[in-house]
Amino acid sequence: DAKTTQPNSMESNEEEPVHLPCNHSTISGTDYIHWYRQLPSQGPEYVIHGLTSNVNNRMASLAIAEDRKSSTLILHRATLRDAAVYYCILRRLSGNTPLVFGKGTRLSVIA
Amino acid sequence: SQTIHQWPATLVQPVGSPLSLECTVEGTSNPNLYWYRQAAGRGLQLLFYSVGIGQISSEVPQNLSASRPQDRQFILSSKKLLLSDSGFYLCAWSGLAPQETQYFGPGTRLLVL
Repeated sequence: DAKTTQPNSMESNEEEPVHLPCNHSTISGTDYIHWYRQLPSQGPEYVIHGLTSNVNNRMASLAIAEDRKSSTLILHRATLRDAAVYYCILRRLSGNTPLVFGKGTRLSVIA
Repeated sequence: SQTIHQWPATLVQPVGSPLSLECTVEGTSNPNLYWYRQAAGRGLQLLFYSVGIGQISSEVPQNLSASRPQDRQFILSSKKLLLSDSGFYLCAWSGLAPQETQYFGPGTRLLVL
């Protein structure tokens, strides 16, 4: 599977937008970009996923670069409850392969 | 709606003792099932996954094993625990279609002393 690179940690002020970057320069044409997050002492939860076009849902937005070698998860207004580790994961289109987690980005939100 | 259960929530076991962690899913049939482990301060490591009863794929060779005796039941076992088996064990399920979301259970925190 293609590898993703994320910053180890980021910090944001409450009520401010947060842009979490992910580099995936070896992405293939059939790889979807998935984002999950893990709140403290909990299992990961799904945030959003996309292939080529930008995606929006109630939790976040996903902006995908035109060459698909990078993407950005956007939290429009960070709250204290958004403090978590955010994982960017590539999943091949064919089959339903298990998620393979990297180290992710630890987001701290300051009141 | 679908729910996933894990028990026990916490467990303290001596080195060399056996282990059995259970995971069950409700509200769906024929799910894919997964076991992950997260050691303290570390990332999530995929241990096993199953696409059907009796079908187990092992990702990491170690002293753990998994079984799927029923469609919605996934069990993680060990005959003799090691100190390095301590961690947060998470069970997850997903549907069969490509790109299906994985849903994680509440986890079992295991401390081996």
